[in-house]
Amino acid sequence: GESVGLHLPTLSVQEGDNSIINCAYSNSASDYFIWYKQESGKGPQFIIDIRSNMDKRQGQRVTVLLNKTVKHLSLQIAATQPGDSAVYFCAEIMDTGRRALTFGSGTRLQVQP
Amino acid sequence: EAGVAQSPRYKIIEKRQSVAFWCNPISGHATLYWYQQILGQGPKLLIQFQNNGVVDDSQLPKDRFSAERLKGVDSTLKIQPAKLEDSAVYLCASSLNTGAANTIYFGEGSWLTVV
Repeated sequence: GESVGLHLPTLSVQEGDNSIINCAYSNSASDYFIWYKQESGKGPQFIIDIRSNMDKRQGQRVTVLLNKTVKHLSLQIAATQPGDSAVYFCAEIMDTGRRALTFGSGTRLQVQP
Repeated sequence: EAGVAQSPRYKIIEKRQSVAFWCNPISGHATLYWYQQILGQGPKLLIQFQNNGVVDDSQLPKDRFSAERLKGVDSTLKIQPAKLEDSAVYLCASSLNTGAANTIYFGEGSWLTVV
């Protein structure tokens, strides 16, 4: 079946650099995408979302880009900090009645001091 | 505002034994979800409730898993009998409605190890 996936399992960056985490999706019916951050021993925490009628959305130090042509989603983190170290998941909601989240497998971000 | 509460946080059982997890959603949240997260993977939806009714349980292994939300507030997830492959984190989440994802809040999870 169609699913959300990620390109890289682990990303290591230097503190202060920008981080880019990528995600590919294959379900063209998905109309809403969300990035979650999960720290060790904790539940997923909402970071930022984007609807399919948008191609970019910015938050505090984070930007999500959506390319519907190639079905690609990315999360950019500016000036990465040690506290950003975590596993990041992209998730999608398809335009169905139940509207539950479908998660990808995650990318671990390691920030080196 | 209190978050989603789950218990127990950790549980170790032998295969073929049973286990139950409890979830108390954020007050006023009508929608409650149970997700299973196997180590190294993203969470997978097991069951979704809207008040005390089941919206989706298509991915719940019904031969061994059961869940209920009798009064539309707290929920329990039970596994009987447990298998080794059930070792995972069981995440409960809740939201005001079935709409925007930024209203979905997750608990800290219940970590299950089956030996």
